[in-house]
Amino acid sequence: ELKVEQNPLFLSMQEGKNYTIYCNYSTTSDRLYWYRQDPGKSLESLFVLLSNGAVKQEGRLMASLDTKARLSTLHITAAVHDLSATYFCAGQIQGAQKLVFGQGTRLTINP
Amino acid sequence: NAGVTQTPKFRVLKTGQSMTLLCAQDMNHEYMYWYRQDPGMGLRLIHYSVGEGTTAKGEVPDGYNVSRLKKQNFLLGLESAAPSQTSVYFCASSYPTPKRGSSYEQYFGPGTRLTVT
Repeated sequence: ELKVEQNPLFLSMQEGKNYTIYCNYSTTSDRLYWYRQDPGKSLESLFVLLSNGAVKQEGRLMASLDTKARLSTLHITAAVHDLSATYFCAGQIQGAQKLVFGQGTRLTINP
Repeated sequence: NAGVTQTPKFRVLKTGQSMTLLCAQDMNHEYMYWYRQDPGMGLRLIHYSVGEGTTAKGEVPDGYNVSRLKKQNFLLGLESAAPSQTSVYFCASSYPTPKRGSSYEQYFGPGTRLTVT
């Protein structure tokens, strides 16, 4: 059974700083997904990581996948207030049509 | 393209009442999902469907039923609502998504906030 754990669950940081959210998963997962959720809103897809060593970047966010370590990271560079949201990672077992989500990391960026 | 839509957006039920949540997608996706989101619990899969006429149980299926009579619609039913079913319900759909290769990237609806008193 695939289990996905994120840490930290809560993160408060200042604008301009860098930080990383970690996503660990328990069994082989070929694909890893990152989503963003604003308060009271739906989930928006950020990144799809399809293979070991995959790295995707958009703006101040960069996601990477290490399937050997069963670890994905979401790195935030020079944070800005607009990035305040809850971020979810989700893993997928090969051949399964469903995702398993982590608990989410609530990120607050203060001016 | 409306994407994934959900009806209704809000609902208040009394214990024991029944209701149906409707999810519709216009992306020709094969797979559809129902999740519930509770504070501190992330998203938990209730039921899902890999094609018209098929359904399968997820992580927390008890107290819910689903139907997928048409490819574009996925219905979630509560036969006898309980306060423990107070939650935000999200529908999602996926596959195929040619821009993402052979991934199962899910696209989410806006959510339904359900309160059971």
